[in-house]
Amino acid sequence: NAGVTQTPKFQVLKTGQSMTLQCAQDMNHEYMSWYRQDPGMGLRLIHYSVGAGITDQGEVPNGYNVSRSTTEDFPLRLLSAAPSQTSVYFCASRQGWLNTEAFFGQGTRLTVV
Amino acid sequence: ILNVEQSPQSLHVQEGDSTNFTCSFPSSNFYALHWYRWETAKSPEALFVMTLNGDEKKKGRISATLNTKEGYSYLYIKGSQPEDSATYLCAPPNTGNQFYFGTGTSLTVIP
Repeated sequence: NAGVTQTPKFQVLKTGQSMTLQCAQDMNHEYMSWYRQDPGMGLRLIHYSVGAGITDQGEVPNGYNVSRSTTEDFPLRLLSAAPSQTSVYFCASRQGWLNTEAFFGQGTRLTVV
Repeated sequence: ILNVEQSPQSLHVQEGDSTNFTCSFPSSNFYALHWYRWETAKSPEALFVMTLNGDEKKKGRISATLNTKEGYSYLYIKGSQPEDSATYLCAPPNTGNQFYFGTGTSLTVIP
């Protein structure tokens, strides 16, 4: 039972490079989200999706794109990496509306130099 | 964006002590309140999902209460153990299906 799988676990990028962080879940969850973790800031919502084909912005969306072509996958794209995007990124999914718990992936540690 | 406050930011207690911390949130348009436990180098894991005013939930030595009218929830740990050391996050989802987390309370239990 894989749950939520994120790849890669670690990544180093040069400023200006682009990349995609992958997130896949096998629980048939409707809702998926991307967060970044920064010291003293907790988890901040980047983008989220309430179903295939539907995405929306969270509180820190600038510099990131998402798409949701299938229920299982919710990739996060960094268009032109900047040092300010150095962070740990978490993907989360949940089944239903607001009273169902979220399941998190193991995180991706990204460093932009 | 919901204004979620957790206090204290960090806490050091001796093994065997009981402790508690607070999550404050806007009481209007309340839907649910989630508590998560986040150990270092791991992913957050759900502890409780609470929806009703006056709700009390318990899991082993950890329990939580909810007051939706005044906009707060307490998390209690009885007889803290070193394995309880973690950051405890709360999240009150808003109407837009958005999950905004507080900055968390970092608990260190000293053996």
